[in-house]
Amino acid sequence: EAGVTQFPSHSVIEKGQTVTLRCDPISGHDNLYWYRRVMGKEIKFLLHFVKESKQDESGMPNNRFLAERTGGTYSTLKVQPAELEDSGVYFCASSHGETQYFGPGTRLLVL
Amino acid sequence: AQSVTQLDSHVSVSEGTPVLLRCNYSSSYSPSLFWYVQHPNKGLQLLLKYTSAATLVKGINGFEAEFKKSETSFHLTKPSAHMSDAAEYFCVVSDNSGGSYIPTFGRGTSLIVHP
Repeated sequence: EAGVTQFPSHSVIEKGQTVTLRCDPISGHDNLYWYRRVMGKEIKFLLHFVKESKQDESGMPNNRFLAERTGGTYSTLKVQPAELEDSGVYFCASSHGETQYFGPGTRLLVL
Repeated sequence: AQSVTQLDSHVSVSEGTPVLLRCNYSSSYSPSLFWYVQHPNKGLQLLLKYTSAATLVKGINGFEAEFKKSETSFHLTKPSAHMSDAAEYFCVVSDNSGGSYIPTFGRGTSLIVHP
């Protein structure tokens, strides 16, 4: 069974540009989560989808971040416009129940 | 509210010696607790989880953890370290407060294994 996949693995952009991260969850997992780890800090929750609906987006830092999950399958996280402090590793996870399975992350560097 | 504290940012051991990675938690509910491992440039891999069954939980790669409610601890151990255990380890608590399993992560402990 394929695990959670994320694309791209790395992204380097300039401040003010737009970046879109993609997450493909494990097939059949209704729950999809986004997390972020800023350098030297702990992994922080961003938001949670149940199928295509946002269940909890309390962790989204501001309105420059937009997450979608059309059709309840893959999800995208768009940052527009990107700022320096958005640099970090963005993880996606999916679950059927309580245990979450993580993707390898997207390493974003904003210059 | 829930929180988790990993008491050591780095732990250094020699190959073949025991590993102890410490984790303390707080939770207003009956928590579920997890340990994840992240090898360089890889995703987080679930090592083991506690969900109110047996307090001694066995995981993959010879790791185990003991849930101690009186001490609010969930320390990760392994009898004999291997070079391939070198990675970053995360203790995670989740207590279904608010109706969803949104976990809280510790800051991570980097395990260094010397030959």
